[in-house]
Amino acid sequence: GQQLNQSPQSMFIQEGEDVSMNCTSSSIFNTWLWYKQDPGEGPVLLIALYKAGELTSNGRLTAQFGITRKDSFLNISASIPSDVGIYFCAGLNAGNNRKLIWGLGTSLAVNP
Amino acid sequence: GAVVSQHPSWVICKSGTSVKIECRSLDFQATTMFWYRQFPKQSLMLMATSNEGSKATYEQGVEKDKFLINHASLTLSTLTVTSAHPEDSSFYICSARGRDRGLNEKLFFGSGTQLSVL
Repeated sequence: GQQLNQSPQSMFIQEGEDVSMNCTSSSIFNTWLWYKQDPGEGPVLLIALYKAGELTSNGRLTAQFGITRKDSFLNISASIPSDVGIYFCAGLNAGNNRKLIWGLGTSLAVNP
Repeated sequence: GAVVSQHPSWVICKSGTSVKIECRSLDFQATTMFWYRQFPKQSLMLMATSNEGSKATYEQGVEKDKFLINHASLTLSTLTVTSAHPEDSSFYICSARGRDRGLNEKLFFGSGTQLSVL
């Protein structure tokens, strides 16, 4: 099925560094969602974006809904060890029977 | 915030037995729930969409007789893996569609069920 292009696939950073990841699509979405998944757990919603150009923060996390509605990025500032996990972007398209389209994930490792 | 409870968290069963996984929306009504399957280090793969009071819609390649879905109420959907085989071993996750206080639509996920078939 359709998937979003998410990059990078993995990152290994030092504690305190900032992190940026993004997702792109060939089609337009009405909603962009960013999730974090820890091992053996279900995804947890971090940030939801509903309008083109929207910039939303959640603590050290900031995400933006691209103006073209075909992309989104997630930034994590001043990373800490508990930021370790897999981050997924997901798009919701009204024209796709309201199903989430997922990125393949970005695996983040933080070196204390 | 909205919470989705999924049970059990993990289950080990013998080949040929059936396993039922429950997904409950705890503080909101979910007219639509989704069932996903996830293999290690991969993204979530949608198996089926479950609508309350109607038959589930299965994705291509997913056997409806193998993975029985029942969405009997606005807060409960169940997935039954019938006659489980080792290749059914996987991480199964449910999600429920709800709205936040601003009436924005969100999808909330259960904590997942790790199924191991011996």
